[in-house]
Amino acid sequence: GENVEQHPSTLSVQEGDSAVIKCTYSDSASNYFPWYKQELGKRPQLIIDIRSNVGEKKDQRIAVTLNKTAKHFSLHITETQPEDSAVYFCAATGSARQLTFGSGTQLTVLP
Amino acid sequence: GAVVSQHPSRVICKSGTSVKIECRSLDFQATTMFWYRQFPKKSLMLMATSNEGSKATYEQGVEKDKFLINHASLTLSTLTVTSAHPEDSSFYICSARRPRTGANVLTFGAGSRLTVL
Repeated sequence: GENVEQHPSTLSVQEGDSAVIKCTYSDSASNYFPWYKQELGKRPQLIIDIRSNVGEKKDQRIAVTLNKTAKHFSLHITETQPEDSAVYFCAATGSARQLTFGSGTQLTVLP
Repeated sequence: GAVVSQHPSRVICKSGTSVKIECRSLDFQATTMFWYRQFPKKSLMLMATSNEGSKATYEQGVEKDKFLINHASLTLSTLTVTSAHPEDSSFYICSARRPRTGANVLTFGAGSRLTVL
């Protein structure tokens, strides 16, 4: 089955700086890669996603890049704000058509 | 659109009792729903895939007799934790595939925090 690894597990940045979270996946058949933001005790919220036929996607301060050859994808948040502080999960859809989640990254934006 | 409602949000029960958690798609039909379990500061672990009108598909290591899943309609899936024990205490989250999006674009319920005393 699919295996998704995510790094780093914790990330602290100063407000206004950029944050980058990286994930790798194992199933070369995976074709859909969403990123979720989860605040403490709340439901995961989809913030951006990318499909395997695209190398990069941007939505305001958030961007995701995908390298299919290397089987890794990354989340980039620019001009971070305190409200960006949360746990971020990457995920990948493997050949079983199920989402497999990474282990999560606790992002803290310091004012 | 694509709202998923989950109830109860919190439940405390005594060891040995059973607890039912409901997951409803409010404004769309969901032929497939997913149940996840999340431990504190950990990732979401898929427990089972709930299929409307058929048996759920459980992930390896998940006891199907302990975690009963029923998906009797296109808008409702239920997870029943039977004979709950303290080690079943966790955050349970359901999700459903958003319609007309393809792939696995999921909408999550708000989660249910189960505490077994």
